[in-house]
Amino acid sequence: DTEVTQTPKHLVMGMTNKKSLKCEQHMGHRAMYWYKQKAKKPPELMFVYSYEKLSINESVPSRFSPECPNSSLLNLHLHALQPEDSALYLCASSQVWGGGQPQHFGDGTRLSIL
Amino acid sequence: QKEVEQNSGPLSVPEGAIASLNCTYSDRGSQSFFWYRQYSGKSPELIMFIYSNGDKEDGRFTAQLNKASQYVSLLIRDSQPSDSATYLCAVRGLSGTYKYIFGTGTRLKVLA
Repeated sequence: DTEVTQTPKHLVMGMTNKKSLKCEQHMGHRAMYWYKQKAKKPPELMFVYSYEKLSINESVPSRFSPECPNSSLLNLHLHALQPEDSALYLCASSQVWGGGQPQHFGDGTRLSIL
Repeated sequence: QKEVEQNSGPLSVPEGAIASLNCTYSDRGSQSFFWYRQYSGKSPELIMFIYSNGDKEDGRFTAQLNKASQYVSLLIRDSQPSDSATYLCAVRGLSGTYKYIFGTGTRLKVLA
């Protein structure tokens, strides 16, 4: 079992739906990340939160909206997604941003856009 | 030149052999190096991390780092069919924004 918990594990949504992905960690980590991974490709960084503040946005389209309500939770709000957004969405955490410690990944949410 | 390079494979080794996975990186200032194992359809799982030149051993896994030559490797001793997966190398540099840069991964197949 991973120490980073992601829900839901699978999500199918239409292009007009609004949904949210959730991520939770209780390791006391102060850096949290969202990655997108397509098949046979490495994870692609989307957002970095450090001490609950958005530190990096990798020019992600506004249809993806991240939120970090507290040090343990990270959400990714989805709206008006496109079929090419279908992918595995990974949440990760590390002790601090910039510290060089390992990132720990959750099991991911497999997202399919109809 | 890609920031982190890995041979995509597949690398096929017989059961019980040593599997050697290699990774080169371009940022000479890089300080932290990570190996992740990823089974098909699953998330990356941290296997090893190394910060200093030399070898670091953990069970059947050994990470080797040579900063002068800018490469990091992962050795898997007594390879098992359950080791068959994609191995991702990740590097965190000093330049830029401290992002973790992933290689494209090497697919390992351990033949029973």
